[in-house]
Amino acid sequence: DAKTTQPPSMDCAEGRAANLPCNHSTISGNEYVYWYRQIHSQGPQYIIHGLKNNETNEMASLIITEDRKSSTLILPHATLRDTAVYYCIVRVDGSNYQLIWGAGTKLIIKP
Amino acid sequence: GAVVSQHPSWVICKSGTSVKIECRSLDFQATTMFWYRQFPKQSLMLMATSNEGSKATYEQGVEKDKFLINHASLTLSTLTVTSAHPEDSSFYICSASGTGGPREQYFGPGTRLTVT
Repeated sequence: DAKTTQPPSMDCAEGRAANLPCNHSTISGNEYVYWYRQIHSQGPQYIIHGLKNNETNEMASLIITEDRKSSTLILPHATLRDTAVYYCIVRVDGSNYQLIWGAGTKLIIKP
Repeated sequence: GAVVSQHPSWVICKSGTSVKIECRSLDFQATTMFWYRQFPKQSLMLMATSNEGSKATYEQGVEKDKFLINHASLTLSTLTVTSAHPEDSSFYICSASGTGGPREQYFGPGTRLTVT
């Protein structure tokens, strides 16, 4: 699986959009971009995933560049409860494939 | 959405004893379950992958005789830490995914193990 690079930490004001970048320049054609988050002392939570088209669900939007070498997770109206470590992972789609976890981005939402 | 539970949520045990952690998929059949370990301020480390009815596949450096994994049904996997030592104290997390349900991995809430 390809590796990803994320900033170690970011701050965002409550109510504003939080934009979390991820670089995955060695991504393969059959690898998806997945985003998870982990609130302190809890299990990770699935957020969203995509292949090449932009995706949106009730939690977030995922913007993938045309060359697929980077992506951005957007939390449109961040709340204090969005404070967590956000992980960007690329992997081949399929339920049996393991996730390889990097260090993630610690997002702190400030009031 | 898919729900995965773990039991217990936390446990304290003495050195030399064994501890069993359960992971259940509540509303889908999990053909594959993964067990992770997470030390403070670190990322998740995969310990093993288990498919229902098969022996688990352990990651390099994980002792299979110490961390016993059983995935006997499509909704239950167990991790038993045998002869626990203080260095086994960690946050243990399971995840589950299934061909008949979600393709994404869904995670349990984790189990905090403290070995005294």
